[in-house]
Amino acid sequence: DVKVTQSSRYLVKRTGEKVFLECVQDMDHENMFWYRQDPGLGLRLIYFSYDVKMKEKGDIPEGYSVSREKKERFSLILESASTNQTSMYLCASSFWTPNSPLHFGNGTRLTVT
Amino acid sequence: AQTVTQSQPEMSVQEAETVTLSCTYDTSESDYYLFWYKQPPSRQMILVIRQEAYKQQNATENRFSVNFQKAAKSFSLKISDSQLGDAAMYFCAYRGNTGNQFYFGTGTSLTVIP
Repeated sequence: DVKVTQSSRYLVKRTGEKVFLECVQDMDHENMFWYRQDPGLGLRLIYFSYDVKMKEKGDIPEGYSVSREKKERFSLILESASTNQTSMYLCASSFWTPNSPLHFGNGTRLTVT
Repeated sequence: AQTVTQSQPEMSVQEAETVTLSCTYDTSESDYYLFWYKQPPSRQMILVIRQEAYKQQNATENRFSVNFQKAAKSFSLKISDSQLGDAAMYFCAYRGNTGNQFYFGTGTSLTVIP
């Protein structure tokens, strides 16, 4: 079974803190994604990566950055957390082939106070 | 960018009955892939079913089936013999034949009534 692991299930941070969300997959997937999930808005893509050190902005990249130094690991960074970044964050991965589905981690619920 | 629309924010169904969740999408591509994902309260997103646009036959996975209407750009999910464990948020997703992005609808929250 594909396993996508997010380092934290719940996280509480203060405004202005630098926040790291880590994601690791064990299926040698080329693609990795970070989504933000908010009620009524569905899943919105923050960033994705199709190879080591490669990244592309999604729909809502402002206030976020990412890092992919190894194929299996994709990190989301909030440089200076703000209260409007309180949300559920989902990591996912897939093969590059178009018929490959996304495999998700079980999410990190981040609260910024 | 492609858009995916789920027009039913909430649905409910009696246990053992059948329910259909709707999804429409907008694309100019001829080849693409469609997916339904389930997110129960545990938050783990699970792939329910997938459909390749080039296949005319509707996909089926046990109690889950789709009604894929390519011309109408419609991709509905039918759940037969609904069970309490089917209660979840359901998301429809699109992936084009080129590019890496997936596009998601806003989800439908399904309640199963005992």
